[in-house]
Amino acid sequence: AQSVTQPDIHITVSEGASLELRCNYSYGATPYLFWYVQSPGQGLQLLLKYFSGDTLVQGIKGFEAEFKRSQSSFNLRKPSVHWSDAAEYFCAVAPDNFNKFYFGSGTKLNVKP
Amino acid sequence: SQTIHQWPATLVQPVGSPLSLECTVEGTSNPNLYWYRQAAGRGLQLLFYSVGIGQISSEVPQNLSASRPQDRQFILSSKKLLLSDSGFYLCASGGSSDTEAFFGQGTRLTVV
Repeated sequence: AQSVTQPDIHITVSEGASLELRCNYSYGATPYLFWYVQSPGQGLQLLLKYFSGDTLVQGIKGFEAEFKRSQSSFNLRKPSVHWSDAAEYFCAVAPDNFNKFYFGSGTKLNVKP
Repeated sequence: SQTIHQWPATLVQPVGSPLSLECTVEGTSNPNLYWYRQAAGRGLQLLFYSVGIGQISSEVPQNLSASRPQDRQFILSSKKLLLSDSGFYLCASGGSSDTEAFFGQGTRLTVV
C-alpha cells in the first residue's frame, strides 16, 4: 500500500536560513511525487512535482526537491527562507494513473524574524 | 487550469443534523474528484474519490457519503453528524489528463 511519512511535525527556522523538509514514501512502483503548501484556512497549492528524469526538481517560490530512489525520499529544500514561507507543507504520492493522491501528515514551518 | 469551488466556507452544525457540502469544478471535463478531511493537528485523509458520474469509492468507513450527480459536481453528505466529523474538508480535482491535484479553498465544519 502507498504511504507517505513526514517525520517532522513542526520546524522552526530563522529568516534567511536554509530549510529542508523530509518526506519518505512507500510505493511498489515508480512513484509520482508532489509537494504542496497550505496557508492557514486555505486550500493547497502545488510547489513542485516529480515524474521522471532529473532527480532535482525546481518549483515555485524558490523551492526545490530531490528524489532519491535508494532512500525512498523526496526532501524539499530552500536555500534562504522568507517570513512568508511560514505555512504547512505536505508531501504526496500518486500512482501512474493519478487516480488517487496520498498525503503525508504535514510539516508546519515557523519562521523566526 | 482548473478552478475548484467549495461552499460553504464555514459551517457550524449540531450533532445529529444532516450535512451537504458541495464542490464544483471549472476548466476541465471528466475529472477525477476527491474529498479529503483534515482534522486538527493531522494530515489529509482521503475520504472518497470518483472517476466518473455515479462512481464513488470510499477509502475509509465512516459516517459520511459522497455522490457525483454531474461530471463536475461532487457532494459530501451525512444523515446525522457526529462530533468526530468536525474538521476541514477539501475537495480536489485531478488525475485523468491532469498530472496534479487542484484544491478548493475548503470548508471548516464544526459539529457542536
